[in-house]
Amino acid sequence: EVQLVESGGGFVQPGGSLSLSCAASGFTFSDYWMHWVRQVPGEGLVWVSRIHSAGTSTDYADSVKGRVTISRDNAKNTLFLQMHSLRAEDTAIYYCVRGNNYFDYWGQGTQVTVSS
Amino acid sequence: DIVMTQSPDSLTVALGERATINCKSSQSVLYTASNMNYLAWYQQKPGQPPKLLIYWASTRKSGVPDRFSGSGSGTDFTLTISGLQAEDVAVYYCQQHYSTPHMFGQGTKVEIK
Repeated sequence: EVQLVESGGGFVQPGGSLSLSCAASGFTFSDYWMHWVRQVPGEGLVWVSRIHSAGTSTDYADSVKGRVTISRDNAKNTLFLQMHSLRAEDTAIYYCVRGNNYFDYWGQGTQVTVSS
Repeated sequence: DIVMTQSPDSLTVALGERATINCKSSQSVLYTASNMNYLAWYQQKPGQPPKLLIYWASTRKSGVPDRFSGSGSGTDFTLTISGLQAEDVAVYYCQQHYSTPHMFGQGTKVEIK
């Protein structure tokens, strides 16, 4: 069974940093592109970033470019999202998602709250 | 960026009736080399993450009831729920995975009349 379990969310002040993790199991992690998608509760879905299966290529949404770094450790089946210079508008649930094309499995999400 | 626009924003349908959700992309998401439309549909119920329903515009994910169907090509797509059930109450999103950023539509909330 495919499982994606996010962790690392929490409360942080504006300008602060946070690092999210996603533990993957039930599939060959190194075969898949992985993504982060965020959602403000009650609002829509926003794609944040993706990383190639081998970690050799990354892409970011303009809203986070330069402040966020996606990475992965295929030996540990883990996806990461390092976030810096956080803003109030980064407050959201962050989902770890598997997807070579369409997004076929989603984690339960981890809440990030940026507030003073 | 390829912007996705859904209509309507919300929909109220009687049990057993048909629900139709439209999705329009600002550019074609048809990859001509493969003749595949890079368009997916997701269902999100309250308090849950989204679930993939349909990919390649019309391919139902294994386990998804056959009352859910997708159609369309290029820039115009439709998700149809034929015979709405109580458990179909949710927000539905379309998404293009043709190019980054992989944008989603704003969502369509489906409720029971």
